[in-house]
Amino acid sequence: AQSVAQPEDQVNVAEGNPLTVKCTYSVSGNPYLFWYVQYPNRGLQFLLKYITGDNLVKGSYGFEAEFNKSQTSFHLKKPSALVSDSALYFCAVRDPNTGGFKTIFGAGTRLFVKA
Amino acid sequence: DAGVTQSPTHLIKTRGQQVTLRCSPKSGHDTVSWYQQALGQGPQFIFQYYEEEERQRGNFPDRFSGHQFPNYSSELNVNALLLGDSALYLCASSLRGTGNYEQYFGPGTRLTVT
Repeated sequence: AQSVAQPEDQVNVAEGNPLTVKCTYSVSGNPYLFWYVQYPNRGLQFLLKYITGDNLVKGSYGFEAEFNKSQTSFHLKKPSALVSDSALYFCAVRDPNTGGFKTIFGAGTRLFVKA
Repeated sequence: DAGVTQSPTHLIKTRGQQVTLRCSPKSGHDTVSWYQQALGQGPQFIFQYYEEEERQRGNFPDRFSGHQFPNYSSELNVNALLLGDSALYLCASSLRGTGNYEQYFGPGTRLTVT
C-alpha cells in the first residue's frame, strides 16, 4: 500500500536561513511525487513534482526537492526562507501503475519562518 | 481562466442529514477528484470521476457518492451525516492523458456536522 510520512509536525527557521521539510514514501515501483502548500482557509497549491529524470527538481517560489530512491525520500528545500513561506506543506505520492489521479498525502508539516 | 470553484464555502448540517457539495473544474479539465481533509490532517482521497463514471475510490463508505455531469462539473453527496464527517472537502481537477500529472485544487467547502 502507498504511504507518505512527514516526520516533523513543525519546522521553525529564521528568515534568510535555508529550510528543509522532510518526506519519505512507500510505494511499489517508480512513484510520482509532489509537494503542495496550503495557506489558512485556502485549498492546496502545487509547488513541484518529480516524475522521472533529474533527481533535483525545481518548483515555484524558489523551492526545490531532491528525490532519493535508495532512501525513499523527497525532501523539500529552499536556500533562503522568507516570512511569507510560513504555511502548511504536504508531501504526496501517486502510484502510476494504478492509473488515474488517486494521490496519497502526508499529514503535513507546518513551517514557521521568523523575521 | 477560471480555476477550480466549489460551492458552498461553508455548510452546517445536523447528524443524519444529507448534503451535496459542488465543484466546477478548471477550464479544459475533464477529471474531478474529491478529498476529505479533517482538521490537522492531510487530504484523504474519496473518489475520482472521469467520463461521468467513478473510476477510483478510496476507503470511504457507500454513504459517500458522487456524480459527474456532461460539462465535467461534479457533485459529492454524503448521506446519514456523522459528526466525524466534519471536515474541509476539496475538489481537484485534472486532464487525463500522457504528460499530465498535476491536480488543481479548489478552495474547499467547510462542512460542520452538529
